[in-house]
Amino acid sequence: GESVGLHLPTLSVQEGDNSIINCAYSNSASDYFIWYKQESGKGPQFIIDIRSNMDKRQGQRVTVLLNKTVKHLSLQIAATQPGDSAVYFCAERAYRGGSEKLVFGKGTKLTVNP
Amino acid sequence: GAGVSQSPSNKVTEKGKDVELRCDPISGHTALYWYRQSLGQGLEFLIYFQGNSAPDKSGLPSDRFSAERTGGSVSTLTIQRTQQEDSAVYLCASSLRENYEQYFGPGTRLTVT
Repeated sequence: GESVGLHLPTLSVQEGDNSIINCAYSNSASDYFIWYKQESGKGPQFIIDIRSNMDKRQGQRVTVLLNKTVKHLSLQIAATQPGDSAVYFCAERAYRGGSEKLVFGKGTKLTVNP
Repeated sequence: GAGVSQSPSNKVTEKGKDVELRCDPISGHTALYWYRQSLGQGLEFLIYFQGNSAPDKSGLPSDRFSAERTGGSVSTLTIQRTQQEDSAVYLCASSLRENYEQYFGPGTRLTVT
C-alpha cells in the first residue's frame, strides 16, 4: 500500500557532524512535502517544506532534497547540535480516504552525542 | 504571537467515561486538524475542518469519536465510553491554507485506566 516511511528508526551522530535523515514515499502524485521536528513532550514543529517542482531547498542549517525519480526525500542538518536531538517526521500531501491530507511517516529519532 | 493551545495537557480517565479535549487554533487560521499519536508512533489523522465546509471525518476510528468547531475557531474532540486503546497523545494543528504548513499544539496526553 501507499505509505510514507523512514529508512532508519534511529540515528546517532556526534556533535558538529552533519546528519542525514531519509524518507521514502510511494505516491508519485504527491506534490508537497514537509519535515517536522518533535522534541520530547512537545508537538511537532515545522522545519522546512518543498514542492514537487523543486529538487532542493535550503533553510538555516537544514537542506531538504527531493528525488522524484526514486521517490525519496532527505533532510540534511549541518553541524548538528545537541538541541537537534528529537524525532523527525516527513509528511507528504496525498489523497487518503477520499480527500487530500498530510500523511506522516513514523519518524526517525536523532540523538546528538556531545 | 500565540500559537496553538490545547487543554488539558494531561487527562487520566477511567474506562467507559467520556472525555473532551479542547484546541484553540492560531487566530485567522481557517483549517484545523486533529491527530492521534501513540507511544513511539507517527501521527494518525483523525479529522479536519476547513472554513465552513463539512469536516473530513475519514480518520475517526469509531463512532465513539466526534469533534466540532464552533464559530470557526475553538474545536473540541470528544471521545465517548473511552477504552484503554484510546490512550495516546492527541495533537491539534491549524494552518492558514488547507494542507500546507501546519502549526501544532503541545498535545493532550490521555490515559485510560
